[in-house]
Amino acid sequence: KNQVEQSPQSLIILEGKNCTLQCNYTVSPFSNLRWYKQDTGRGPVSLTIMTFSENTKSNGRYTATLDADTKQSSLHITASQLSDSASYICVVSDNAGNNRKLIWGLGTSLAVNP
Amino acid sequence: DAGITQSPRHKVTETGTPVTLRCHQTENHRYMYWYRQDPGHGLRLIHYSYGVKDTDKGEVSDGYSVSRSKTEDFLLTLESATSSQTSVYFCAISVATSVADTQYFGPGTRLTVL
Repeated sequence: KNQVEQSPQSLIILEGKNCTLQCNYTVSPFSNLRWYKQDTGRGPVSLTIMTFSENTKSNGRYTATLDADTKQSSLHITASQLSDSASYICVVSDNAGNNRKLIWGLGTSLAVNP
Repeated sequence: DAGITQSPRHKVTETGTPVTLRCHQTENHRYMYWYRQDPGHGLRLIHYSYGVKDTDKGEVSDGYSVSRSKTEDFLLTLESATSSQTSVYFCAISVATSVADTQYFGPGTRLTVL
């Protein structure tokens, strides 16, 4: 069964600190992996999309890594800000360019405290 | 937000009543989607559209119907609302990129069925 599992479920850090969120998947075949940020009460916003040939992709203070062999991805947030408080969702596609075949994780809830 | 609006933003209704949610986009995107988001579940696809009058079912389509008579509008109808359809509903469009189609989400509609 295709699954996406994220850890930790929730995380609290102090402003200015770094953190890393994990995503493990058992999706096959694999097409691409996406990270979304979802603020409370709003829709998800795309941070990165990576194919199997990409190891790292950055978007400002967000850096995603992908190991297609071990089927693991991480999202690293550098120098956290209060506005980083949100849910971060890992999403895997098993069919290139087909948004009908997305497997969504449950997300990691991040709280950045002053 | 890719010019996506949803209406209403909040709705409370009673079991057995029909409900229609509207998604409106301003940028002529071909693909549109309806998702629901519930605690303990990743986003789940209800229905999608690949053009005017072209729609198909997602993984949780039972109890829902959709219509797309114009490119800019995608309607989701609950013919006879049930308490299990209490959820947050998100509309999305997809935009082709060099990597994969990126999805952009609307602000969501919070529906409560009493």
